[in-house]
Amino acid sequence: GNSVTQMEGPVTLSEEAFLTINCTYTATGYPSLFWYVQYPGEGLQLLLKATKADDKGSNKGFEATYRKETTSFHLEKGSVQVSDSAVYFCALSDQTGGGNKLTFGTGTQLKVEL
Amino acid sequence: DTGVSQDPRHKITKRGQNVTFRCDPISEHNRLYWYRQTLGQGPEFLTYFQNEAQLEKSRLLSDRFSAERPKGSFSTLEIQRTEQGDSAMYLCASSPLAGGFYEQYFGPGTRLTVT
Repeated sequence: GNSVTQMEGPVTLSEEAFLTINCTYTATGYPSLFWYVQYPGEGLQLLLKATKADDKGSNKGFEATYRKETTSFHLEKGSVQVSDSAVYFCALSDQTGGGNKLTFGTGTQLKVEL
Repeated sequence: DTGVSQDPRHKITKRGQNVTFRCDPISEHNRLYWYRQTLGQGPEFLTYFQNEAQLEKSRLLSDRFSAERPKGSFSTLEIQRTEQGDSAMYLCASSPLAGGFYEQYFGPGTRLTVT
C-alpha cells in the first residue's frame, strides 16, 4: 500500500535559519504529492503541491521538488520566521479508483525561536 | 465562502454511548472526506462521498461507524458504542469533482474524548 515517511520532530530553529523537512514515499502508480500545514488551533491548510515528477511546488517561501528517482518530496525554506511555527504534514494522493484520498505522514513539528 | 465547518468542535462522552458529528462542506463541492487523527499521528482516511454516494470506506471504519450524506450536502459520522480507542480528532474535508486533483479543504475538526 501507500505510505509516507517524514522526519520526526520537533525541529527547533532560530529565526532566519534554513529549514529542511525530509519526506519520502512509497506508492503504486504516479501519485500527486503535498505539504499541508497545521497552525496551532487551526485546521489543515494546503501549503504546496506537485502533481508529476520534477515539478516544484512553492508557496510563502516554501519549496519542494517531486523527485521520482529518490521517491522524495523534501520541504525547504531559506529563512524561517517565528510565524512558521506549526506542524507540517507530507501527503500523497492516490488516484486509484478516482477517489483522490490522501495518505499522510506523521507530521513534523517546527518551532522557530527569536 | 465560509469554508468547511464541523460541529461540535469538542465532544466528551462515556464509553458505550453513541455520538454523531456533522460536517458542512463548501457549498459547490461534490466530494466530502472523513479522516481521523490521533495524537502525534497524521490524519488517516476513513471514507468519502461523491454527492450522496459513499464510494469508498477504509478498513478502519468498523461496523460501529456509519457515515451518511443525504442529498449530497452536509454529512454525518456516527459512532455507536464508543470505545476509548475512538478518542481522536475527526476531520472533514471537501473538494470539487474533477478529473485531476483539486485541493481538499479541511474543517477545524471535532475532538472526541471517550472516558
